[in-house]
Amino acid sequence: AQSVTQLDSQVPVFEEAPVELRCNYSSSVSVYLFWYVQYPNQGLQLLLKYLSGSTLVKGINGFEAEFNKSQTSFHLRKPSVHISDTAEYFCAVHNYGQNFVFGPGTRLSVLP
Amino acid sequence: DVKVTQSSRYLVKRTGEKVFLECVQDMDHENMFWYRQDPGLGLRLIYFSYDVKMKEKGDIPEGYSVSREKKERFSLILESASTNQTSMYLCASSLSTKNYGYTFGSGTRLTVV
Repeated sequence: AQSVTQLDSQVPVFEEAPVELRCNYSSSVSVYLFWYVQYPNQGLQLLLKYLSGSTLVKGINGFEAEFNKSQTSFHLRKPSVHISDTAEYFCAVHNYGQNFVFGPGTRLSVLP
Repeated sequence: DVKVTQSSRYLVKRTGEKVFLECVQDMDHENMFWYRQDPGLGLRLIYFSYDVKMKEKGDIPEGYSVSREKKERFSLILESASTNQTSMYLCASSLSTKNYGYTFGSGTRLTVV
């Protein structure tokens, strides 16, 4: 069965510092990859997605992610974070015709 | 913009009550999903539906049922609420291909006392 790993459950970082949130998945077939953000007491909002083409994907709020097929990874990065980026981030994967599989989430805390 | 609307943000119910959580989407999406979210457990799929009157069990369907009488509406029913069903409930919808991702509602935080 498909699985998604987000190794870091919590990531504290100072404001204006860079951040990388890691996501690894298990699949032997082509997949579609997504990152979602959840602000406190809200639903999930799509940050970016990889379907095909360029392996570097840019999303909203200055985030980007890189698809690495050989390492089955889809890490999320931002060069300079803001206090407002404090939220929980979920990586998700799906194979064609299947439901999404979500990772357990990474809580990003941006400190002043 | 696709909108997924969950009728209640916060709900408090008593043990044994029948609870209805309503979800409506306005972009003609074929697929609809109900998840619950608990600290440390991430998102867990309760039920999903790919079409009107169609429903499929997800990973944790016990204690829940669903109804999809119209394409835009997907209801989650707790037949007899219990304290272990206290949770955040998230509704989502998508096109049939799912390639554009899921669109989520704002969530309903249910407390069963």
